Amino acid sequence: DIQMTQSPSTLSASVGDRVTITCRASQNISSWLAWYQQKPGKAPKLLIYKASSLESGVASGFSGSGSGTQFTLTISSLQPDDLATYYCQQYNSYPWTFGQGTKVDIK
Amino acid sequence: QVQLVESGGGVVQPGRSLRLSCAASGFTFSNYGMHWVRQAPGKGLEWVTIIYYDGSNKYYADSVKGRFTVSRDNSKNTLFLQMNSLRAEDTAVYYCATSLGGKGVFDIWGQGTMVIVSS
Repeated sequence: DIQMTQSPSTLSASVGDRVTITCRASQNISSWLAWYQQKPGKAPKLLIYKASSLESGVASGFSGSGSGTQFTLTISSLQPDDLATYYCQQYNSYPWTFGQGTKVDIK
Repeated sequence: QVQLVESGGGVVQPGRSLRLSCAASGFTFSNYGMHWVRQAPGKGLEWVTIIYYDGSNKYYADSVKGRFTVSRDNSKNTLFLQMNSLRAEDTAVYYCATSLGGKGVFDIWGQGTMVIVSS
């Protein structure tokens, strides 16, 4: 199985800060990586697919990059509404696997 | 509008069975593969299973293989998850999800149904 490792596990930043979350795959997954945002008590929401494609309707402040085994999610200017947990997920091969999540707090 | 609504969750004793359902509406259910994803309390997301649009292929996470069975009834626009030999570690919110936008990932999710395995 492909292991997905996110860092950091928690992140505290101020409104307006640039925030970066990293996701590493245990083997090459090409660009078959997605990012999700999950708020408490809610289902996850797709932000990014195919490593860098922004889902329709998602704020342009979110961006993704990377390929192979190293990926990043960037929030260009953190907003209060961005308080959430973020997950990466590989869909290169079954079983699909998620990272353990990065909880983003607002300072 | 496009909607997935899970049901069937509840409290069940270890070793017993439970069947979850996911009712789809607002799209042509029979054209899309469907997934189950779960989340234990306070934990991360875990992909559970996929069933292809026509039921021809199914894949499972190792943690549920041999105990859980996914199925679908395209005439009733409904997805099922039969869970047997339940364990405490199966306690989670179970979501059904699919990809309607052709991206291959989960762009549509249900609201989830809670399963608690406890004596």
